[in-house]
Amino acid sequence: DTGVSQNPRHKITKRGQNVTFRCDPISEHNRLYWYRQTLGQGPEFLTYFQNEAQLEKSRLLSDRFSAERPKGSFSTLEIQRTEQGDSAMYLCASSLRTVTGELFFGEGSRLTVL
Amino acid sequence: GQNIDQPTEMTATEGAIVQINCTYQTSGFNGLFWYQQHAGEAPTFLSYNVLDGLEEKGRFSSFLSRSKGYSYLLLKELQMKDSASYLCAVKWVLTGGGNKLTFGTGTQLKVEL
Repeated sequence: DTGVSQNPRHKITKRGQNVTFRCDPISEHNRLYWYRQTLGQGPEFLTYFQNEAQLEKSRLLSDRFSAERPKGSFSTLEIQRTEQGDSAMYLCASSLRTVTGELFFGEGSRLTVL
Repeated sequence: GQNIDQPTEMTATEGAIVQINCTYQTSGFNGLFWYQQHAGEAPTFLSYNVLDGLEEKGRFSSFLSRSKGYSYLLLKELQMKDSASYLCAVKWVLTGGGNKLTFGTGTQLKVEL
């Protein structure tokens, strides 16, 4: 099954450290999204790529957050100088250009900032 | 606005029917999704509505009324494995045609014997 793959699945870090998450989308999907989800809440949109171009960024995405998709395939999300408020599940999703445009989510990367 | 409201929790009995409501206040509406999310797992797609009416898919049905900003997810013949969070999400179209989904907080459904 070649679904959306994310790693690491879990990351514990100390405040002030940098962390990077990787997402491998479904291979034929040209659209890739990052979402953040905290306990008891729905996922919040962070950013969107079409191929290698980052076309949309949420105002939630402070300058400590940066995302890339250099070759239009896998993507990375880096958080610099982590804060305790960054603790969350970071979800990646991908989609095809279809009428529905449903998103296929990965299992997520859970970040805990101590 | 993007306010999406759904109940926080619901409890139902195995074998019964449950209806989970979702209301939204949003301009630029371009479709509504329902996703299921088990604890610690990824959200998985259940249904999509863009026109008014009922979409049926096995034990799951979803209804949309665009004029009322209202949708519901109907689950029939409930099973214990249906205990999960059900997320209502409104679709926006982004630059370049991608979709931004704005999610509600989710409804935690507990199915009891």
